[in-house]
Amino acid sequence: AQSVSQHNHHVILSEAASLELGCNYSYGGTVNLFWYVQYPGQHLQLLLKYFSGDPLVKGIKGFEAEFIKSKFSFNLRKPSVQWSDTAEYFCAASPYGNNRLAFGKGNQVVVIP
Amino acid sequence: DTAVSQTPKYLVTQMGNDKSIKCEQNLGHDTMYWYKQDSKKFLKIMFSYNNKELIINETVPNRFSPKSPDKAHLNLHINSLELGDSAVYFCASSQGSGTYEQYFGPGTRLTVT
Repeated sequence: AQSVSQHNHHVILSEAASLELGCNYSYGGTVNLFWYVQYPGQHLQLLLKYFSGDPLVKGIKGFEAEFIKSKFSFNLRKPSVQWSDTAEYFCAASPYGNNRLAFGKGNQVVVIP
Repeated sequence: DTAVSQTPKYLVTQMGNDKSIKCEQNLGHDTMYWYKQDSKKFLKIMFSYNNKELIINETVPNRFSPKSPDKAHLNLHINSLELGDSAVYFCASSQGSGTYEQYFGPGTRLTVT
């Protein structure tokens, strides 16, 4: 079964710092990849997704992610974070053409003003 | 104009009781899901319905029974509640059962005492 791993569960950084969250998946075939964000007390919202094409994906709120097939990775980046980026970030993957999403355990990001 | 809505938002009940959570989506999607988020924020898929037909049924105790009266609704009934059922339950929907992003509801926090 596919699995998704995220490292550095707790991340604390100051405003204007750069953020990078790692995500690795274990699935040999073609995959769909997602990053979701959960702000405190809110539901999950899609930040960005990768289905095919350009491996550098731009999402909402200045986030981007890069799909590196050889490394089975889909890392999330933001060059300069704001206090409002404090949230839980989840990477998810599903086999291409399949809706069975597997989530990573999430990264809790706290941005200090 | 909420896309995916759930009721109730909070549910506190005693062990052994039976309870239901309702989910409705107004996006015109034909696939709906139930996820469980445990105390460590780990999200796991439980069920998925496509056009009222069950297509994903993960290893979930048979005390959990989903019901989809129509494409826009997916309810979750839980019998004989146990302490370990305490979690946040998220409903989601997608346009189809293949390569589509999923839209999540606000969640229902279930506490079993």
